[in-house]
Amino acid sequence: GAGVSQSPRYKVTKRGQDVALRCDPISGHVSLYWYRQALGQGPEFLTYFNYEAQQDKSGLPNDRFSAERPEGSISTLTIQRTEQRDSAMYRCASGQERQRQETQYFGPGTRLLVL
Amino acid sequence: GQSLEQPSEVTAVEGAIVQINCTYQTSGFYGLSWYQQHDGGAPTFLSYNGLDGLEETGRFSSFLSRSDSYGYLLLQELQMKDSASYFCALEGSSGSARQLTFGSGTQLTVLP
Repeated sequence: GAGVSQSPRYKVTKRGQDVALRCDPISGHVSLYWYRQALGQGPEFLTYFNYEAQQDKSGLPNDRFSAERPEGSISTLTIQRTEQRDSAMYRCASGQERQRQETQYFGPGTRLLVL
Repeated sequence: GQSLEQPSEVTAVEGAIVQINCTYQTSGFYGLSWYQQHDGGAPTFLSYNGLDGLEETGRFSSFLSRSDSYGYLLLQELQMKDSASYFCALEGSSGSARQLTFGSGTQLTVLP
């Protein structure tokens, strides 16, 4: 079946603009995660949804970052008043727990460049 | 907090066996996962250890020792396509149910 998809794949924006990044998880997956990955580093946790409930947003860097998953499927990560330091690869992952283990499946990411 | 340490680079020849070590510090976690990431690609799941011991999946095996705060990924019969970055990740170590905390990755280069 289809994997996790993200759009746009690339986004170039000017400092101060708002951006919205979309994640379409694997159908039926309950869990949805947002991560941010800098070049040469591992992904860094941002936030987690269980169905439509945002259960952990401890990784969001500041209040310019927000996320939603209103119907428990597609999720949007919004960054307001972007800054150059927000430039990174933003990855979404979805997962389903089976036998007390949850494998996370990552999407291709959105590469954000803030000029 | 949580932290993971793994070597930044490993080089091996085709057909060989390589072991990538991972040591960690955490107050609690569900398990240790391993992900592979090719340049420009998404991380893909390789293996998971919820309990101590060895898990084998084809050419890849992973090991966990909670008492030693240590794990490793073993890759056998190396192929050129195995050249990639490999990340160890603690599952559920920062409060959220299954959040992954990643190490900084090991770049594996397989030589002909």
